[in-house]
Amino acid sequence: KAGVTQTPRYLIKTRGQQVTLSCSPISGHRSVSWYQQTPGQGLQFLFEYFSETQRNKGNFPGRFSGRQFSNSRSEMNVSTLELGDSALYLCASSLHGVTPGNTIYFGEGSWLTVV
Amino acid sequence: AQTVTQSQPEMSVQEAETVTLSCTYDTSENNYYLFWYKQPPSRQMILVIRQEAYKQQNATENRFSVNFQKAAKSFSLKISDSQLGDTAMYFCAFQYTGNQFYFGTGTSLTVIP
Repeated sequence: KAGVTQTPRYLIKTRGQQVTLSCSPISGHRSVSWYQQTPGQGLQFLFEYFSETQRNKGNFPGRFSGRQFSNSRSEMNVSTLELGDSALYLCASSLHGVTPGNTIYFGEGSWLTVV
Repeated sequence: AQTVTQSQPEMSVQEAETVTLSCTYDTSENNYYLFWYKQPPSRQMILVIRQEAYKQQNATENRFSVNFQKAAKSFSLKISDSQLGDTAMYFCAFQYTGNQFYFGTGTSLTVIP
């Protein structure tokens, strides 16, 4: 069965632009969560979606937003990009959401460079 | 607030030897889960092992096992018979609600041939 698929894998954007990243979860998985990984801050939780509803949100500014579609695919958007947004953005999916104990499976990530 | 601490930024081990990676966490929650994830140079995070806090028995997955000490809030990973493919960054993670994971800063493990 196909794993978590993230597109694009690599992209370069200019400060002030916006970017949209896409994530297709493992077939049958209904929960999608997003993480930002940087050398300085490590892995930080952005948000989680389950059945098209945002369930949890990390401590990130409102420039970071996301959504989930009825087929469980998810997108995250970052507006007014800053240099500090350069990071590896990881998407993870799990069969269930809401209750803890779920194992999450990660995609290969989208490398975003802001210049 | 939940915090996860990995105090060993880098470690190395000879091939076929055993190595233990440390992790401590802080939480006031009673029902939670702990994980070890591996991130090889490809950067894809791979689940290594999972432990439920309510289970006293330590989880084991082939060459990987944990030493879970709930009272001490400690969750170390032991890798036996280390292989070159074990070279990676290892992250300890804590989960108590939904799919919001709290990750440690990672330990970079190098297996030396």
